[in-house]
Amino acid sequence: NAGVTQTPKFRVLKTGQSMTLLCAQDMNHEYMYWYRQDPGMGLRLIHYSVGEGTTAKGEVPDGYNVSRLKKQNFLLGLESAAPSQTSVYFCASNFWAGDGYTFGSGTRLTVV
Amino acid sequence: AQSVAQPEDQVNVAEGNPLTVKCTYSVSGNPYLFWYVQYPNRGLQFLLKYITGDNLVKGSYGFEAEFNKSQTSFHLKKPSALVSDSALYFCAVRVDFGNEKLTFGTGTRLTIIP
Repeated sequence: NAGVTQTPKFRVLKTGQSMTLLCAQDMNHEYMYWYRQDPGMGLRLIHYSVGEGTTAKGEVPDGYNVSRLKKQNFLLGLESAAPSQTSVYFCASNFWAGDGYTFGSGTRLTVV
Repeated sequence: AQSVAQPEDQVNVAEGNPLTVKCTYSVSGNPYLFWYVQYPNRGLQFLLKYITGDNLVKGSYGFEAEFNKSQTSFHLKKPSALVSDSALYFCAVRVDFGNEKLTFGTGTRLTIIP
Protein backbone atom coordinates (compact mmCIF):
# COMPACT_ATOMS: atom_id res chain seq x y z
CA ASN A 1 0.00 0.00 0.00
CA ALA A 2 1.23 3.50 -0.84
CA GLY A 3 2.06 5.72 2.08
CA VAL A 4 4.61 6.61 4.73
CA THR A 5 6.33 3.80 6.61
CA GLN A 6 8.21 4.35 9.86
CA THR A 7 10.57 1.90 11.51
CA PRO A 8 10.80 0.89 14.27
CA LYS A 9 7.37 1.26 15.87
CA PHE A 10 8.65 1.02 19.45
CA ARG A 11 12.05 1.42 21.04
CA VAL A 12 13.50 1.72 24.53
CA LEU A 13 16.92 3.36 24.83
CA LYS A 14 19.24 3.97 27.71
CA THR A 15 20.48 7.50 28.29
CA GLY A 16 23.47 8.17 26.07
CA GLN A 17 22.68 5.53 23.47
CA SER A 18 22.21 6.41 19.82
CA MET A 19 19.64 5.32 17.27
CA THR A 20 18.22 6.13 13.85
CA LEU A 21 14.56 6.31 12.93
CA LEU A 22 13.76 5.55 9.31
CA CYS A 23 10.95 7.11 7.29
CA ALA A 24 10.20 5.85 3.80
CA GLN A 25 7.55 7.12 1.35
CA ASP A 26 6.62 5.73 -2.04
CA MET A 27 4.50 8.64 -3.31
CA ASN A 28 7.33 10.61 -4.95
CA HIS A 29 6.79 13.43 -2.46
CA GLU A 30 9.30 16.27 -2.44
CA TYR A 31 8.75 17.45 1.14
CA MET A 32 9.37 15.34 4.22
CA TYR A 33 9.10 16.23 7.89
CA TRP A 34 9.88 14.88 11.35
CA TYR A 35 7.60 15.89 14.24
CA ARG A 36 7.45 14.89 17.86
CA GLN A 37 4.18 14.65 19.77
CA ASP A 38 4.06 15.25 23.50
CA PRO A 39 0.95 15.45 25.72
CA GLY A 40 -0.53 18.94 25.81
CA MET A 41 1.98 20.30 23.31
CA GLY A 42 0.62 19.13 20.01
CA LEU A 43 3.11 18.37 17.26
CA ARG A 44 6.41 20.21 17.10
CA LEU A 45 8.61 20.22 14.01
CA ILE A 46 12.11 18.82 14.51
CA HIS A 47 13.64 18.94 11.01
CA TYR A 48 12.33 18.96 7.48
CA SER A 49 13.47 18.54 3.89
CA VAL A 50 12.26 20.22 0.71
CA GLY A 51 13.97 17.76 -1.61
CA GLU A 52 16.65 15.12 -1.99
CA GLY A 53 19.92 16.25 -0.43
CA THR A 54 18.36 19.13 1.54
CA THR A 55 17.56 19.47 5.23
CA ALA A 56 16.53 22.34 7.47
CA LYS A 57 15.90 22.93 11.16
CA GLY A 58 12.44 23.15 12.61
CA GLU A 59 11.16 24.34 15.95
CA VAL A 60 12.99 21.84 18.22
CA PRO A 61 16.12 20.57 16.39
CA ASP A 62 18.57 20.29 19.30
CA GLY A 63 19.78 16.75 19.96
CA TYR A 64 18.67 15.46 16.55
CA ASN A 65 20.24 15.14 13.12
CA VAL A 66 18.69 14.19 9.78
CA SER A 67 19.68 13.08 6.33
CA ARG A 68 17.87 12.84 2.98
CA LEU A 69 20.28 11.02 0.69
CA LYS A 70 17.45 9.49 -1.35
CA LYS A 71 14.19 11.20 -2.21
CA GLN A 72 12.08 8.45 -0.67
CA ASN A 73 13.92 8.23 2.67
CA PHE A 74 14.28 10.66 5.55
CA LEU A 75 16.35 9.53 8.53
CA LEU A 76 16.21 11.00 12.03
CA GLY A 77 19.19 10.36 14.30
CA LEU A 78 19.66 10.71 18.01
CA GLU A 79 23.39 10.76 18.80
CA SER A 80 23.14 10.66 22.60
CA ALA A 81 19.63 10.01 23.82
CA ALA A 82 18.24 11.92 26.81
CA PRO A 83 15.06 11.29 28.85
CA SER A 84 13.65 14.56 27.46
CA GLN A 85 13.56 12.86 24.06
CA THR A 86 10.96 10.38 25.26
CA SER A 87 8.12 11.02 22.84
CA VAL A 88 6.13 9.77 19.89
CA TYR A 89 7.83 10.64 16.62
CA PHE A 90 5.91 11.11 13.40
CA CYS A 91 7.19 11.39 9.88
CA ALA A 92 5.09 13.12 7.23
CA SER A 93 5.39 13.99 3.58
CA ASN A 94 3.65 15.98 0.87
CA PHE A 95 4.15 16.89 -2.77
CA TRP A 96 3.70 20.67 -2.54
CA ALA A 97 2.99 23.26 0.11
CA GLY A 98 -0.76 23.29 -0.38
CA ASP A 99 -1.12 19.55 0.03
CA GLY A 100 -2.21 17.90 3.21
CA TYR A 101 0.43 15.78 4.85
CA THR A 102 0.50 12.00 4.74
CA PHE A 103 1.65 10.77 8.13
CA GLY A 104 3.35 7.57 9.18
CA SER A 105 1.98 5.54 12.08
CA GLY A 106 4.61 6.81 14.51
CA THR A 107 7.52 5.57 16.61
CA ARG A 108 7.10 5.46 20.36
CA LEU A 109 10.52 6.09 21.93
CA THR A 110 11.27 5.80 25.62
CA VAL A 111 14.64 6.91 27.00
CA VAL A 112 15.41 5.57 30.48
CA ALA B 1 5.72 34.00 13.11
CA GLN B 2 2.70 31.78 12.72
CA SER B 3 0.60 30.20 15.43
CA VAL B 4 -2.59 28.26 16.02
CA ALA B 5 -4.84 28.22 19.08
CA GLN B 6 -7.37 25.53 19.92
CA PRO B 7 -9.05 27.00 22.98
CA GLU B 8 -10.79 23.82 24.13
CA ASP B 9 -8.80 20.81 25.29
CA GLN B 10 -11.96 18.69 25.48
CA VAL B 11 -15.34 18.86 23.76
CA ASN B 12 -18.23 16.55 24.63
CA VAL B 13 -21.22 16.22 22.30
CA ALA B 14 -24.25 13.93 22.38
CA GLU B 15 -24.59 11.56 19.44
CA GLY B 16 -26.74 13.07 16.72
CA ASN B 17 -26.11 16.65 17.81
CA PRO B 18 -24.07 19.13 15.75
CA LEU B 19 -20.45 19.53 16.75
CA THR B 20 -17.95 22.38 16.52
CA VAL B 21 -14.23 22.28 17.25
CA LYS B 22 -12.71 25.75 17.40
CA CYS B 23 -9.47 27.02 15.86
CA THR B 24 -7.99 30.50 15.53
CA TYR B 25 -4.75 31.35 13.78
CA SER B 26 -2.14 34.03 13.27
CA VAL B 27 0.09 34.41 10.20
CA SER B 28 1.83 37.22 8.37
CA GLY B 29 0.28 36.74 4.98
CA ASN B 30 -2.40 34.56 3.46
CA PRO B 31 -3.03 31.34 5.41
CA TYR B 32 -3.20 27.76 4.31
CA LEU B 33 -5.35 26.00 6.93
CA PHE B 34 -5.75 22.30 7.65
CA TRP B 35 -7.62 19.93 9.96
CA TYR B 36 -6.29 16.52 10.94
CA VAL B 37 -7.75 13.72 13.06
CA GLN B 38 -5.86 11.23 15.20
CA TYR B 39 -7.39 7.99 16.43
CA PRO B 40 -5.79 6.16 19.39
CA ASN B 41 -2.31 4.80 18.66
CA ARG B 42 -2.48 5.99 15.06
CA GLY B 43 -0.86 8.66 12.95
CA LEU B 44 -2.72 11.78 11.94
CA GLN B 45 -5.12 11.67 9.01
CA PHE B 46 -5.86 14.65 6.77
CA LEU B 47 -9.51 15.81 6.93
CA LEU B 48 -9.73 19.00 4.92
CA LYS B 49 -7.95 22.19 3.90
CA TYR B 50 -8.52 25.80 2.95
CA ILE B 51 -6.15 27.32 0.41
CA THR B 52 -8.26 29.86 -1.41
CA GLY B 53 -11.77 30.30 -2.80
CA ASP B 54 -15.02 29.35 -1.09
CA ASN B 55 -14.90 30.00 2.66
CA LEU B 56 -16.80 26.77 3.41
CA VAL B 57 -14.74 23.69 2.68
CA LYS B 58 -15.94 20.11 2.86
CA GLY B 59 -13.80 17.16 3.77
CA SER B 60 -13.76 13.53 4.76
CA TYR B 61 -16.35 11.75 6.96
CA GLY B 62 -18.93 14.54 6.59
CA PHE B 63 -16.81 17.24 8.22
CA GLU B 64 -16.67 20.81 7.01
CA ALA B 65 -14.90 23.98 8.12
CA GLU B 66 -15.54 27.67 7.64
CA PHE B 67 -12.74 30.12 6.99
CA ASN B 68 -13.42 33.53 8.56
CA LYS B 69 -10.73 36.02 7.68
CA SER B 70 -12.01 38.85 9.87
CA GLN B 71 -12.08 36.62 12.96
CA THR B 72 -8.97 34.65 11.90
CA SER B 73 -10.84 31.44 12.60
CA PHE B 74 -11.24 28.05 10.94
CA HIS B 75 -13.75 26.09 13.01
CA LEU B 76 -14.44 22.43 12.24
CA LYS B 77 -18.09 21.40 12.09
CA LYS B 78 -20.35 18.42 11.50
CA PRO B 79 -24.16 18.52 11.42
CA SER B 80 -24.73 15.23 13.24
CA ALA B 81 -22.08 13.62 15.43
CA LEU B 82 -21.31 9.90 15.43
CA VAL B 83 -19.70 7.92 18.25
CA SER B 84 -16.97 7.00 15.75
CA ASP B 85 -16.04 10.71 15.50
CA SER B 86 -14.48 10.49 18.97
CA ALA B 87 -10.80 11.28 18.47
CA LEU B 88 -8.13 13.96 18.82
CA TYR B 89 -8.41 16.82 16.33
CA PHE B 90 -5.61 19.14 15.27
CA CYS B 91 -5.80 22.44 13.42
CA ALA B 92 -2.71 23.57 11.50
CA VAL B 93 -1.61 26.67 9.58
CA ARG B 94 1.15 27.87 7.30
CA VAL B 95 1.63 31.02 5.30
CA ASP B 96 1.21 30.76 1.54
CA PHE B 97 4.75 31.78 0.54
CA GLY B 98 8.15 31.72 2.12
CA ASN B 99 7.61 29.11 4.81
CA GLU B 100 7.28 25.41 4.14
CA LYS B 101 6.55 24.59 7.76
CA LEU B 102 3.13 23.71 9.12
CA THR B 103 2.38 24.81 12.69
CA PHE B 104 -0.05 22.65 14.67
CA GLY B 105 -2.36 23.50 17.51
CA THR B 106 -2.26 21.54 20.76
CA GLY B 107 -5.28 19.45 19.84
CA THR B 108 -8.88 19.07 20.99
CA ARG B 109 -10.18 15.77 22.26
CA LEU B 110 -13.69 15.21 20.96
CA THR B 111 -15.89 12.72 22.78
CA ILE B 112 -19.27 11.76 21.37
CA ILE B 113 -21.62 10.48 24.05
CA PRO B 114 -24.06 7.74 22.99
